[in-house]
Amino acid sequence: KNEVEQSPQNLTAQEGEFITINCSYSVGISALHWLQQHPGGGIVSLFMLSSGKKKHGRLIATINIQEKHSSLHITASHPRDSAVYICAVAPYSGGGADGLTFGKGTHLIIQP
Amino acid sequence: EAGVAQSPRYKIIEKRQSVAFWCNPISGHATLYWYQQILGQGPKLLIQFQNNGVVDDSQLPKDRFSAERLKGVDSTLKIQPAKLEDSAVYLCASSLYGLGATEAFFGQGTRLTVV
Repeated sequence: KNEVEQSPQNLTAQEGEFITINCSYSVGISALHWLQQHPGGGIVSLFMLSSGKKKHGRLIATINIQEKHSSLHITASHPRDSAVYICAVAPYSGGGADGLTFGKGTHLIIQP
Repeated sequence: EAGVAQSPRYKIIEKRQSVAFWCNPISGHATLYWYQQILGQGPKLLIQFQNNGVVDDSQLPKDRFSAERLKGVDSTLKIQPAKLEDSAVYLCASSLYGLGATEAFFGQGTRLTVV
């Protein structure tokens, strides 16, 4: 069973700061997902990674398969980025079972 | 494109009653997942479907939970009889080719309260 650890659990920053959220996992995976959940809102997919780096607007996600580690970066943070950011991994599975194992999430608050 | 639809959004029942949740995934998505999210915890997979077949139900409490995905499209999750510890948000998600290859799309969830 994969163990997914996120850090930090809570992060408060000022508007404009560069934000980094880290995720590590214990067993090899087929893909890693970064998800966002606003208070009272649904879960939205930000990225799906199996290698390298992806960028979407002010968000950047990287993954190091050898080190079993991924980071999510937010540049020029804004109060609307305040949310819970969740790292989740999909296992290798020859039989097709690829349900995500979730980290506990990082509660991010960006103050104006 | 339309997202993953779930209903109802909220449900309050007494323990030992039965309840059913419905999910309509994004059109064409082969895989469908039901997750249980207890307050303060990350979602836990209950069951995964590939088209209309079950791929993984190892964490589904089969003595009280059941699920089906008729014709490989929409799905229902049922709890009978409900226990207090079943109070949670039940999330449905779908993916085009599976979460090892394509991104996940989540519904808004059904918040179940068992009293």
